[in-house]
Amino acid sequence: NAGVTQTPKFRILKIGQSMTLQCAQDMNHNYMYWYRQDPGMGLKLIYYSVGAGITDKGEVPNGYNVSRSTTEDFPLRLELAAPSQTSVYFCASSYSSSGSVGELFFGEGSRLTVL
Amino acid sequence: GQNIDQPTEMTATEGAIVQINCTYQTSGFNGLFWYQQHAGEAPTFLSYNVLDGLEEKGRFSSFLSRSKGYSYLLLKELQMKDSASYLCAVQDSNYQLIWGAGTKLIIKP
Repeated sequence: NAGVTQTPKFRILKIGQSMTLQCAQDMNHNYMYWYRQDPGMGLKLIYYSVGAGITDKGEVPNGYNVSRSTTEDFPLRLELAAPSQTSVYFCASSYSSSGSVGELFFGEGSRLTVL
Repeated sequence: GQNIDQPTEMTATEGAIVQINCTYQTSGFNGLFWYQQHAGEAPTFLSYNVLDGLEEKGRFSSFLSRSKGYSYLLLKELQMKDSASYLCAVQDSNYQLIWGAGTKLIIKP
C-alpha cells in the first residue's frame, strides 16, 4: 500500500518555466489537497478536490492550476514560475464523511526552487 | 479573520513532560487536529478532538475546551525522537482546515 505518492521530490526551475507536480493516492480517498509550506510557516492550501471532476481554490491559488480526472490522481500545474513559488509542496488525501475532512495522509513533499 | 496561535519553539528534557498550547479564533468549529512533522518530512496525524475533554493515546494526550478556544497536546516520557514540529489545525464551519504555524519542540538529553 503506497499511500500518497508525489513526484518529483526536488526540482529547480528557471523563472517563467512551467511544470507539473504529480500526486497519486491508492486509498480510494474522495478528498485531495495541495498545500505549500514556507519555512517557519503553516500549511497554506492551494487547491483541493472533493471528488473526481470537482476542484476548488484554496487560500493561495494564484499561479497554479489543478485537475482531478480520476479519484487517484491530482496533478498541480505551475505556469510561468516565479521566485515566490519557491516552497515545499505537499499533496494530501483524506476520506471525508459527514462533512469532516478526516485524517489527512500526506505525500513526502516536493521541494521546488525557482531561480 | 481566522487565527491559530501556537508557541514558535519549546525546549524540554528527555524523560520529562511537555504541554504545547494552541488557541484559535475561527469562523465556527468542527474539530481540532494535531499533527507531528519531523524536519524534512511530511506531517503525520496525531489526534482529533471535537468534544471538550482529554483524549489519551499512549504517551500523547490532547485536550480541548471549545468555550475557551483552546487546546493542548501533552507529551509524556519524552524521547529524543519526539523532537519535531507539532501543528495544530482547526476545521471551521465550512469544514475548511485552518493551520497554525507549528511549534518546534527541541528535546535535550
